[in-house]
Amino acid sequence: QSALTQPRSVSGSPGQSVTMSCTGTSRDVGGYNYVSWYRQHPGKAPKLMIYDVSKRPSGVPDRFSGSKAGNTASLTISGLQAEDEADYYCCSYAGTYTVFGGGTKLTVL
Amino acid sequence: EVQLVESGGGLVQPGGSLRLSCAASGFTFSSHRMHWVRQGPGKGLVWVSRIEGDGSDISYADSVKGRFTISRDNAKNTLYLQMSSLRAEDTAVYYCTRTGGGFDHWGQGTLVTVSS
Repeated sequence: QSALTQPRSVSGSPGQSVTMSCTGTSRDVGGYNYVSWYRQHPGKAPKLMIYDVSKRPSGVPDRFSGSKAGNTASLTISGLQAEDEADYYCCSYAGTYTVFGGGTKLTVL
Repeated sequence: EVQLVESGGGLVQPGGSLRLSCAASGFTFSSHRMHWVRQGPGKGLVWVSRIEGDGSDISYADSVKGRFTISRDNAKNTLYLQMSSLRAEDTAVYYCTRTGGGFDHWGQGTLVTVSS
């Protein structure tokens, strides 16, 4: 039950695009199309941004997109806005358990 | 409106026990798999446990297996986490969340502090 691997930090300027990765194994990310992404602002509960690799919940802007290739999933945020500055966590179903990544801190410069 | 409200957190000594509750409303509780996720101070999210809608299937993270017990009362629309043999590393905010296409709704969390 090892955590998924995410970069500790990424950054971008307003209006730019950023992509963050989430690397697992064939037992989790690579084995199922059940990767989800969460945004968390300080002191707040996480918010679902992407589920089932690339689906957006109602209300999440289409600036957010997800993809997967092999054992690595990615979240891309285009048209960066100040409100996007937060911690982002990936998550994958792994059969008998579920596993999160360590989180990526997104800084909007 | 979907609402998840956790309660039961607090300060407990190492080796002690605590029971968390999560009151659900605004949806058909028995139709959803429910989970507990925790977050240590300044740390990331960690999945703890899950239970199927009818309680038929239960899973735990290795770090809590044998010490924590998840359960639910569908008549009361409430999820529980019984925690025993608590350790300092169990100190965290504990969130309940439901599966509805990812973890689509979360509670506000309840803080558990394990310290002497």
